[in-house]
Order: sequence, then structure tokens, then C-alpha cells
Amino acid sequence: EVQLVQSGAEVKKPGESLKISCKGSGYSFTSYWIGWVRQMPGKGLEWMGIIYPGDSDTRYSPSFQGQVTISADKSISTAYLQWSSLKASDTAMYYCARGRKVQRDFDYWGQGTLVTVSS
Amino acid sequence: DIQMTQSPSTLSASVGDRVTITCRASQSISSWLAWYQQKPGKAPKLLIYKASSLESGVPSRFSGSGSGTEFTLTISSLQPDDFATYYCQQYNSYTWTFGQGTKVEIK
Repeated sequence: EVQLVQSGAEVKKPGESLKISCKGSGYSFTSYWIGWVRQMPGKGLEWMGIIYPGDSDTRYSPSFQGQVTISADKSISTAYLQWSSLKASDTAMYYCARGRKVQRDFDYWGQGTLVTVSS
Repeated sequence: DIQMTQSPSTLSASVGDRVTITCRASQSISSWLAWYQQKPGKAPKLLIYKASSLESGVPSRFSGSGSGTEFTLTISSLQPDDFATYYCQQYNSYTWTFGQGTKVEIK
């Protein structure tokens, strides 16, 4: 069974750093992309970026380039999304999703990680 | 960047209705268009890929069509479980973009 399990909810202060994770299981982790998607409270889905764990090829949405860093450790089938200095506007639910290379879509999703940034 | 525009933003319908949601791309994306359903507090679920292919396990009342810049998602007979928000998603040159969503509400 394919599963993406994300790390738990976080409460942080502005200026703090954060790294959240997404662990894949039940499939070949290095053969699919892992994408990250932001959903701000009451809003729609925003594609942030994507990584191919097989060769660490990483692409970012222009809206998020320089704001976050996406990485992966294929030895433990885990992808990461990190911030060096959080802002209140980073408060959102963050989803990871498995990206299919042929279909160019996201077929399995993690349960989401809620990040709250507040002073 | 390619922009995706969905219409309508909100749709009120009754059980049994035929429902159509439109997604327009700002430039041609061939058939690289997927549709997702999201319910409150849940992750999105893939319904349709490559514009018109039904994802495994998705009921056949869902269908997709279109190519180039205009695409539609149709629910042939709306069921109680279908009240949710629907998003289109495009792919072009290693960039993915979602539409702003269409909320399907009970009339």
C-alpha cells in the first residue's frame, strides 16, 4: 500500500527555522517525484515545488523560489520542506504528494502538516 | 507562468443534477490536465488525469474532456458524497499550477 506520512503539526515564532518531513512507503521512492503544496486557511492549493529523489532534481514555483528549500534523503525514503526564517504568512497546511512522471499529476497525498507561525 | 482559471467559483446543485466545471489555461498545455476533489480537512484526491482518463477506483459518473486551453469536469449525476471543492491542475515544462477551485454546494 502506497503511503505518504508527514510529520506532525508545528507551532513556531516568526524568524524561527523549520523542517517538515514526508516519508514514503509501499513503492519505489526513487521512481516518482515528491511535490509540496501549500493551502492557506480557507484558500486553494498552491504548488510550491518538487523533487525527484532518484537524482535530487528539484524545481520550484517562482512564487516560492528562495523562500523554501526542498530536499530528500532516498536512503530513508523521506522528503523535506524547510524554512530558514518563518513569517506569519507561512501559516498554512502543507501537503506532500507523489508525482507521476508519465501522467504529470499527483496520485497519492500525505495527510498534511499544519504549520502555525505566531508571536 | 501558466495561469489556470476555473469557473464557476461556487456551484449550487441538487442530488441527481449534471454538473460541469470549466478550467481554462492561459496557454496551451496539450492534455496535461488533472482534476482533484477535496473535502474539508482532507487531502485532495485525484479523479482525472491527462484531461480525460479516469483514475482507478473513481466512480464512472466523473468524466473529463478538453485539450489545449479549455477543459471540463463533468459529474453526470451528483451524489451526496460529491459535495466538495474541485481543483484543476496543469503541467508544463516542470511547472505545475492549480486552479483556484470550484466549491460544489447543496442547493
